[in-house]
Amino acid sequence: DGGITQSPKYLFRKEGQNVTLSCEQNLNHDAMYWYRQDPGQGLRLIYYSQIVNDFQKGDIAEGYSVSREKKESFPLTVTSAQKNPTAFYLCASSIDPRSRVSGYTFGSGTRLTVV
Amino acid sequence: GDSVTQMEGPVTLSEEAFLTINCTYTATGYPSLFWYVQYPGEGLQLLLKATKADDKGSNKGFEATYRKETTSFHLEKGSVQVSDSAVYFCALSIAEGGSEKLVFGKGTKLTVNP
Repeated sequence: DGGITQSPKYLFRKEGQNVTLSCEQNLNHDAMYWYRQDPGQGLRLIYYSQIVNDFQKGDIAEGYSVSREKKESFPLTVTSAQKNPTAFYLCASSIDPRSRVSGYTFGSGTRLTVV
Repeated sequence: GDSVTQMEGPVTLSEEAFLTINCTYTATGYPSLFWYVQYPGEGLQLLLKATKADDKGSNKGFEATYRKETTSFHLEKGSVQVSDSAVYFCALSIAEGGSEKLVFGKGTKLTVNP
């Protein structure tokens, strides 16, 4: 079955370390997205990518970086510059970035905790 | 800017009760509207959607109608089950800079008791 795989499901980071969250999709979707979810705040967009080798900042990109070297992969790095990284991170994809009707398919998320 | 406002939760109901979760939106142009559901510890799943005014989306007994005149997309279910306990997100889709972007409400947590 096609879908989005996020790994790991739980991740612990020491302060000052960079960590990378994996997101892989086999849906052949063009666009991919990263969201951060905090209790009571809904979802906030970190970065998105419409095509390979191209990506744009979302609403809260500071302290994060991404790459899109392959269509199926969109890893997110949480850098030491991110002051409050503890959150639930969700990756999503959509079949056509120019469409407004397709909606997104989500992965199952990675819970990052700073220890 | 474009935004979505959902009723604040948590909402607690007994099994077989009627459910309404209110959602209103502000948008320029003509967005598509979505309801997503999130079960504990999981990602979001698309529940239903509507792409133009007066469209009704439906799935698993849930319904929502795109009301342009009231800028609303309220979620309803006639008889909830314990398995419906989850967080529900209303969202709108806009085309910005040649790319689709979803704008989410803050979510409404529903708990259904036996």
